[in-house]
Amino acid sequence: DAKTTQPPSMDCAEGRAANLPCNHSTISGNEYVYWYRQIHSQGPQYIIHGLKNNETNEMASLIITEDRKSSTLILPHATLRDTAVYYCIVRATGFQKLVFGTGTRLLVSP
Amino acid sequence: DTGVSQNPRHKITKRGQNVTFRCDPISEHNRLYWYRQTLGQGPEFLTYFQNEAQLEKSRLLSDRFSAERPKGSFSTLEIQRTEQGDSAMYLCASRQGSQETQYFGPGTRLLVL
Repeated sequence: DAKTTQPPSMDCAEGRAANLPCNHSTISGNEYVYWYRQIHSQGPQYIIHGLKNNETNEMASLIITEDRKSSTLILPHATLRDTAVYYCIVRATGFQKLVFGTGTRLLVSP
Repeated sequence: DTGVSQNPRHKITKRGQNVTFRCDPISEHNRLYWYRQTLGQGPEFLTYFQNEAQLEKSRLLSDRFSAERPKGSFSTLEIQRTEQGDSAMYLCASRQGSQETQYFGPGTRLLVL
């Protein structure tokens, strides 16, 4: 079973920041937080991951709370092409499989 | 394009037929994964290879399913005697052993009639 909880859907206006929350209250010390997204009919696309520090790359920022029980993925300027299902996953180092939940369906509108 | 590739992208078959899918991982990625995704659900893990060795299999992988990675490069997933419940997207992912991130291919969408 997935170890994360996400809202089933969210809306965002184009050009605004999209903030996608994830709850992982049972996370262990050696588990990373990963974010993937899946655009309709495509394979999942890696976005970002982190352990306890906040992370930023060209796609997004990941903010992890100090107690590591929740995190937020931030898309700073959402575009229509960011419409997708976003998955938050926790995985321990050395543990092979990714356990996906049902994710958050983000709809970016003009 | 140097990403993970999968062939075919779509497959329609009749119940009872055998099908085989191929996955070509990113060059030099020694870890390879198969997942299955049904409509409205997230991907579910099926099996994992490190080089040519199949090291982990999900209980979802029934006796009708077999996966190989004979030379530690490309992999095949075969489903024998397909059933309508096998209709799904079959996804392949790969990663380099020294890194943590799995990269996914575009998937093969199977429809069993």
